[in-house]
Amino acid sequence: KQEVTQIPAALSVPEGENLVLNCSFTDSAIYNLQWFRQDPGKGLTSLLLIQSSQREQTSGRLNASLDKSSGRSTLYIAASQPGDSATYLCAVVGSNDYKLSFGAGTTVTVRA
Amino acid sequence: KAGVTQTPRYLIKTRGQQVTLSCSPISGHRSVSWYQQTPGQGLQFLFEYFSETQRNKGNFPGRFSGRQFSNSRSEMNVSTLELGDSALYLCASSFSIGGGEQYFGPGTRLTVT
Repeated sequence: KQEVTQIPAALSVPEGENLVLNCSFTDSAIYNLQWFRQDPGKGLTSLLLIQSSQREQTSGRLNASLDKSSGRSTLYIAASQPGDSATYLCAVVGSNDYKLSFGAGTTVTVRA
Repeated sequence: KAGVTQTPRYLIKTRGQQVTLSCSPISGHRSVSWYQQTPGQGLQFLFEYFSETQRNKGNFPGRFSGRQFSNSRSEMNVSTLELGDSALYLCASSFSIGGGEQYFGPGTRLTVT
């Protein structure tokens, strides 16, 4: 069974600092990995999707890397802003069952 | 393009009752997945429907069921509600089955008293 872990569980940084969020997974047989953002009480917003054959994806201030062999992905957010405050979730799709397995998330607070 | 919509947004039910939640996917998306989110268990996969057929299922009891209609809209039903069923129920749609990029709705907050 795929286990997805996100460390740290919470993070507080001053505005302007770069954010580094970590995600690890136990089964390297993945189809893709997706990063989401969730605001309190709301649904999930897709940020980046990395196919298993890719090493990284970029969108604006966001960059996500994937090391499938070591079971790790990292989400970088450059020059953080208070509007980046949210919970960030990592999810992997297994290549055997195509089920999406989520981590517990990292709650980020960016202080103005 | 309109996003994924879920109705109702909030629901309060009593133990033992049943509930039906509805999800309308993004136009053109044929896959609909359902998830349960609780503070203790996080986000857990319930099931996925594609072309009116359940294609994948998570580890939930038979009280949780769903269906998909020919227009890709989906409903989820929970019978004999328990206190532990209180959660945010999220629906996601994607263009293809099996690993397609998922787009989530705002969720239905279910409270069981």
